[in-house]
Amino acid sequence: DTEVTQTPKHLVMGMTNKKSLKCEQHMGHRAMYWYKQKAKKPPELMFVYSYEKLSINESVPSRFSPECPNSSLLNLHLHALQPEDSALYLCASSQGATPSYEQYFGPGTRLTVT
Amino acid sequence: AQTVTQSQPEMSVQEAETVTLSCTYDTSESDYYLFWYKQPPSRQMILVIRQEAYKQQNATENRFSVNFQKAAKSFSLKISDSQLGDAAMYFCAYRPSGSARQLTFGSGTQLTVLP
Repeated sequence: DTEVTQTPKHLVMGMTNKKSLKCEQHMGHRAMYWYKQKAKKPPELMFVYSYEKLSINESVPSRFSPECPNSSLLNLHLHALQPEDSALYLCASSQGATPSYEQYFGPGTRLTVT
Repeated sequence: AQTVTQSQPEMSVQEAETVTLSCTYDTSESDYYLFWYKQPPSRQMILVIRQEAYKQQNATENRFSVNFQKAAKSFSLKISDSQLGDAAMYFCAYRPSGSARQLTFGSGTQLTVLP
């Protein structure tokens, strides 16, 4: 099983809403990632978790709050987002956080902030 | 800082023909990894091929091969016998070894395969 799943596939939320994105993998990977991707642009790294601990936060605004409840699950909690936060949010995982390990990407959640 | 440049925003190829996507990068590191990722319209990004900088032999995966020129800092992707399913956005990416620094992506090349 080389699959990373993400739910929901699409999400529309108002600027005052609170919502969460979910990512799951059952490959035994110990590193998980959140990326943000605008249309026709490359993914931009947001957060990296390694062994369930946050290891990298790429200066992401606090309205994005990641959580890693266990080694298989990664959440991204959203609150008070802005319209410019509308994007495809990709989750990825890898066996470890070092470069030799391939990152496996999920299909993404298409987020629209109204 | 590392940068990755893909100078071809769009490319097209006839089915069954060969196409080469170019990528250059800038780094002061001596050991690193280079990747080509494919993102089809369904949006799930997958790794196409990976090259380790210390390996002189060019990586090959079935119809996909790279031309890695370390001195020139060039890493092009050749797709042979192109198929309709190869149509996608292709991203070149770089990552230094032995470092917590993460992937640096190029801006992408949108490949269209013509029947």
